[in-house]
Amino acid sequence: SQTIHQWPATLVQPVGSPLSLECTVEGTSNPNLYWYRQAAGRGLQLLFYSVGIGQISSEVPQNLSASRPQDRQFILSSKKLLLSDSGFYLCAWDTTGLSYEQYFGPGTRLTVT
Amino acid sequence: ILNVEQSPQSLHVQEGDSTNFTCSFPSSNFYALHWYRWETAKSPEALFVMTLNGDEKKKGRISATLNTKEGYSYLYIKGSQPEDSATYLCAFYSNSGYALNFGKGTSLLVTP
Repeated sequence: SQTIHQWPATLVQPVGSPLSLECTVEGTSNPNLYWYRQAAGRGLQLLFYSVGIGQISSEVPQNLSASRPQDRQFILSSKKLLLSDSGFYLCAWDTTGLSYEQYFGPGTRLTVT
Repeated sequence: ILNVEQSPQSLHVQEGDSTNFTCSFPSSNFYALHWYRWETAKSPEALFVMTLNGDEKKKGRISATLNTKEGYSYLYIKGSQPEDSATYLCAFYSNSGYALNFGKGTSLLVTP
């Protein structure tokens, strides 16, 4: 069966510090991978998606970046965090098919102080 | 970014009450409509994926309907239980897009 891991679960970082969140998927090959963020009072916002190794598309301009160094690994990074980067970050995967049902990881709660 | 609206924003009902929420989405370029249930401290979990106008899906006490021509979907919970307390998200998939567009969700609290 497929499993998706995210870490860390919670993170408190000062403004201006770097960020690295990691997501890995097990039990599937060639997944589409996604990073979402839910900021306070807002819905889930798509940040990045990837259809393959080294292929990253960004939805909104921001100071975040994403990388996919391996088929089942997706990393979200920032060189310098802003207060507005606080939120709940979710990684998700799906495979190209009729349903496009997405499977979500456990999430990371990021607080930028 | 496609506009997906959910109402109400939050709902508080008593155990045993039936309830329903609304999701509205663009009626053009429709491909699929998803409902997810998101409990606190857990991952969102898929409830339904609907693709055809008039679709009705059911899982236990929860059911959903879809009207793609007018751009709305209803989620119904019959006889709400405390364990139904969660945020219910709908997400729209456009056939001209590549990812789900989520609404802000409806937060349901069911008290005994």
